[in-house]
Amino acid sequence: QQQVRQSPQSLTVWEGETAILNCSYEDSTFNYFPWYQQFPGEGPALLISISSVSDKKEDGRFTIFFNKREKKLSLHITDSQPGDSATYFCAASASSGSWQLIFGSGTQLTVMP
Amino acid sequence: EAAVTQSPRNKVAVTGGKVTLSCNQTNNHNNMYWYRQDTGHGLRLIHYSYGAGSTEKGDIPDGYKASRPSQENFSLILELATPSQTSVYFCASGDAGGSNERLFFGHGTKLSVL
Repeated sequence: QQQVRQSPQSLTVWEGETAILNCSYEDSTFNYFPWYQQFPGEGPALLISISSVSDKKEDGRFTIFFNKREKKLSLHITDSQPGDSATYFCAASASSGSWQLIFGSGTQLTVMP
Repeated sequence: EAAVTQSPRNKVAVTGGKVTLSCNQTNNHNNMYWYRQDTGHGLRLIHYSYGAGSTEKGDIPDGYKASRPSQENFSLILELATPSQTSVYFCASGDAGGSNERLFFGHGTKLSVL
């Protein structure tokens, strides 16, 4: 049973467009949601994160939108660049109990020039 | 810059053989983790450690052992490797512990069990 789900599995956009990556979760105790970015041949690296007390987090061209009621969040990448082509993992953790991160299955983003 | 180094980068093993994957971190982080990455499953936690001498089971520990002999080193051991353990393995260190911990990953080890 996947506790963190991501869609789509793969996404292709043109340079300059906005890419939207979706994530949903089941456990209502989750309160921290990082997104990790992974380039081929490398390990994932933290890109941006949000806590459940916020509904939006922005860092340059990357924005997380969070809907606690629906248990959904999304990562928006505006003005997408070919260098943004990577796999993006949504993850979640809770501040109580087992706080280790639970990762989604990832979205592979390709930005065409 | 935080550094997590894994060795080897690639490994081919035979079914039934013993495999040891090594990880070294220079971040002085207490927490270290072993994940495997498979298409369609993302990253799944195998074992983790809170510090030297400690190991804990993650979500998929069966068939794996872990060893944390020092703050810097964390090994993953496959005593009897099986083809189902063919995967890419990532080691990570964590900077804080708790739900907002940031993980620093190595470059991964690609393991093929024939």
